[in-house]
Amino acid sequence: EAGVTQFPSHSVIEKGQTVTLRCDPISGHDNLYWYRRVMGKEIKFLLHFVKESKQDESGMPNNRFLAERTGGTYSTLKVQPAELEDSGVYFCASSQERGSSPLHFGNGTRLTVT
Amino acid sequence: AQKITQTQPGMFVQEKEAVTLDCTYDTSDQSYGLFWYKQPSSGEMIFLIYQGSYDEQNATEGRYSLNFQKARKSANLVISASQLGDSAMYFCAMREGWAAGNKLTFGGGTRVLVKP
Repeated sequence: EAGVTQFPSHSVIEKGQTVTLRCDPISGHDNLYWYRRVMGKEIKFLLHFVKESKQDESGMPNNRFLAERTGGTYSTLKVQPAELEDSGVYFCASSQERGSSPLHFGNGTRLTVT
Repeated sequence: AQKITQTQPGMFVQEKEAVTLDCTYDTSDQSYGLFWYKQPSSGEMIFLIYQGSYDEQNATEGRYSLNFQKARKSANLVISASQLGDSAMYFCAMREGWAAGNKLTFGGGTRVLVKP
């Protein structure tokens, strides 16, 4: 089975520009999560989709971040406008059920804002 | 206060030896889960092992075992017979409550380097 895939693997943009990250979860996984790790900090939860619905978006840092999951398949995370502190690695993960079902992570997108 | 603490930022281990990675956690929930993930230099996060708060036995998965001491709120990962491919970053993470889905809180990670 194909794993969680993320595009692009790297992105370098200037402050003020817009970037859109994409995540394709494992087929059949209703739960999709976004996490990020900024330099020197822990990996932090951003939000959780169940199918196309946002279940929990308490970790979204501010309204410059917009996540969508139209049709309950792939998800996008848009940062507009990007700021320097948005630099980091953005991970997408999916799981089939809650509880003990582990998260399956993608390889992450490394975002650098200059 | 930190919910997940990994006190070892980095460590060396000799090939074929065992290594213990420390993880302590802080929660007031009775129901929670603890996870360990491995992140090699290639960047992907690989699930290793899971321990539920109500599990009476320590979890084991091949060469990985979790030393779960509930009263001390610790969930140390033990890797037996280390291999060169075990060199990676290791993250401990916690899910609090069943309703949290997989909203995990991560520790800062421990970088392990296995020496031949």
